[in-house]
Amino acid sequence: DAKTTQPPSMDCAEGRAANLPCNHSTISGNEYVYWYRQIHSQGPQYIIHGLKNNETNEMASLIITEDRKSSTLILPHATLRDTAVYYCIVSQYGGSQGNLIFGKGTKLSVKP
Amino acid sequence: DTAVSQTPKYLVTQMGNDKSIKCEQNLGHDTMYWYKQDSKKFLKIMFSYNNKELIINETVPNRFSPKSPDKAHLNLHINSLELGDSAVYFCASSHGQGAAVNEKLFFGSGTQLSVL
Repeated sequence: DAKTTQPPSMDCAEGRAANLPCNHSTISGNEYVYWYRQIHSQGPQYIIHGLKNNETNEMASLIITEDRKSSTLILPHATLRDTAVYYCIVSQYGGSQGNLIFGKGTKLSVKP
Repeated sequence: DTAVSQTPKYLVTQMGNDKSIKCEQNLGHDTMYWYKQDSKKFLKIMFSYNNKELIINETVPNRFSPKSPDKAHLNLHINSLELGDSAVYFCASSHGQGAAVNEKLFFGSGTQLSVL
């Protein structure tokens, strides 16, 4: 079972920041927060991951609260191509050993 | 230049048939996986495999078997197909250097299997 809770859907205007929340209140000290997304008819795509500190890469930023019980994925300037289901996953080992458990995710719809 | 490619993209077949889905990765990764995404869109691990170890999700029926001719390929064979096998099957790969937290998964685009 997924150890995260995400809203089922969100809308965002094109060009605006998309802020996707995730609750992971039972996260343990050695577990990381991972984000993947799945664009329609494609396989999931890795976005970003983090442990305690905020992280940023070319795709997104990840903000993790100090108590690590929740996090927010930020797409700074959403485009129509960012419309997808976004999965927040907590895992000790990332992709290895098949330890990623995908929940239902958040369906993000970016609108013109 | 697709990193993880799987064929066919669509597979329609009758109950009781045996079918295979092929997967190839050109990333030089050591570990490959098969995931199943059911009608409710839950994505679940079926197998992870490298040249040393096959890890099977215990809920996967033994009608499903992975075959790896070399480390760049992991094919999925399914015997005696059932209606409940209808789903989208995704192949994935990762670098596979043990339990590393930076193990990103790279997924193929999926094979939609429909059993009639």
